[in-house]
Amino acid sequence: GAGVSQSPSNKVTEKGKDVELRCDPISGHTALYWYRQSLGQGLEFLIYFQGNSAPDKSGLPSDRFSAERTGGSVSTLTIQRTQQEDSAVYLCASSLARTFYNEQFFGPGTRLTVL
Amino acid sequence: ILNVEQSPQSLHVQEGDSTNFTCSFPSSNFYALHWYRWETAKSPEALFVMTLNGDEKKKGRISATLNTKEGYSYLYIKGSQPEDSATYLCAFIGVDDKIIFGKGTRLHILP
Repeated sequence: GAGVSQSPSNKVTEKGKDVELRCDPISGHTALYWYRQSLGQGLEFLIYFQGNSAPDKSGLPSDRFSAERTGGSVSTLTIQRTQQEDSAVYLCASSLARTFYNEQFFGPGTRLTVL
Repeated sequence: ILNVEQSPQSLHVQEGDSTNFTCSFPSSNFYALHWYRWETAKSPEALFVMTLNGDEKKKGRISATLNTKEGYSYLYIKGSQPEDSATYLCAFIGVDDKIIFGKGTRLHILP
């Protein structure tokens, strides 16, 4: 089967606009994770889903960020009123279960540039 | 604030030589440690998931050890090859489900 896919691969937007980033996990993977990597920074964990539920949203950088997952499959990360500091590569990963005993499979990422 | 440190930050190794690098993490609230390889222009690729103190895992020429009591893990590469050039990331997962990545060790294999 296919790996984790993300769309769009690149997104350029103007400051203040809303953006939606999409992640399609590997079929059958119940756990889904969102990360971002800002320029010169390490990988930062944002949020994870077990099924459609996100037990802890405290990793989201601000209340402009939200994420949802429907049908235990596709997830969307939405950034409202984008700021320049939101520019980063946003990575999605999925795994068989959320226990962290299973390896995560990463998608190719979405590079977001906020002008 | 929990810190995950990787050293060295960057490493140049002659092809054929063996090498190793370190991931240091909090020794309390440990749940799991992951190692990833991240090649330029690609996605991170999982190498090892380590959960028990004293764990040793091996995949081909790459192996890893885990010491949860003192809070460190070593990654070893035997007989380095050009395709080993990448950034190697470790990620600490705490019992609170928080995932913290180190900044990585960037490995360059010299022909």
